[in-house]
Amino acid sequence: DADVTQTPRNRITKTGKRIMLECSQTKGHDRMYWYRQDPGLGLRLIYYSFDVKDINKGEISDGYSVSRQAQAKFSLSLESAIPNQTALYFCATSDLAFQPQHFGDGTRLSIL
Amino acid sequence: QKEVEQDPGPLSVPEGAIVSLNCTYSNSAFQYFMWYRQYSRKGPELLMYTYSSGNKEDGRFTAQVDKSSKYISLFIRDSQPSDSATYLCAMSSGGSYIPTFGRGTSLIVHP
Repeated sequence: DADVTQTPRNRITKTGKRIMLECSQTKGHDRMYWYRQDPGLGLRLIYYSFDVKDINKGEISDGYSVSRQAQAKFSLSLESAIPNQTALYFCATSDLAFQPQHFGDGTRLSIL
Repeated sequence: QKEVEQDPGPLSVPEGAIVSLNCTYSNSAFQYFMWYRQYSRKGPELLMYTYSSGNKEDGRFTAQVDKSSKYISLFIRDSQPSDSATYLCAMSSGGSYIPTFGRGTSLIVHP
């Protein structure tokens, strides 16, 4: 089984819908992150959490919200999806302050 | 100007070639440097992780950091078609430890 699992892997939905992307990890890491990846723009940080009670905005948090339900679970929500949120979304985890991140295999989200 | 610059490519090389992938950066506070490999429809996978300046070797891969020039490189020796992927550099400072990523370089190794 993958250490960082994202569900769903693919999602097509319509403008205005509420969407939740889920991430769970078995690595035992405290730190979790949500990124989006767009062609030509690379990875951009949406939100991150250093522990269950800690939530921080990243570079592009507008239009998104997150919930850290447990050490192992971190969900990303799009309250009212719009087409320019069409992208590949990645969850990542890391252990301690200066350890590299480990990524899930992503959710491909298309908003029509 | 982005903090981390990386040529998107694509870089196309024949099998067996030595590949050089590079990133430049502007933030002199960066101390931790990483290279990730990303295959199509997969998440980035950590290849190399180095602290401060110098070289680090792992099999066919060598990571090099030149902090004086704000320049990092990843060398791949005896490249294989299975090395075809996008390579992302990332770096972080001792403050936030949240990495800043380059946009990635697409590498194609043809038989």
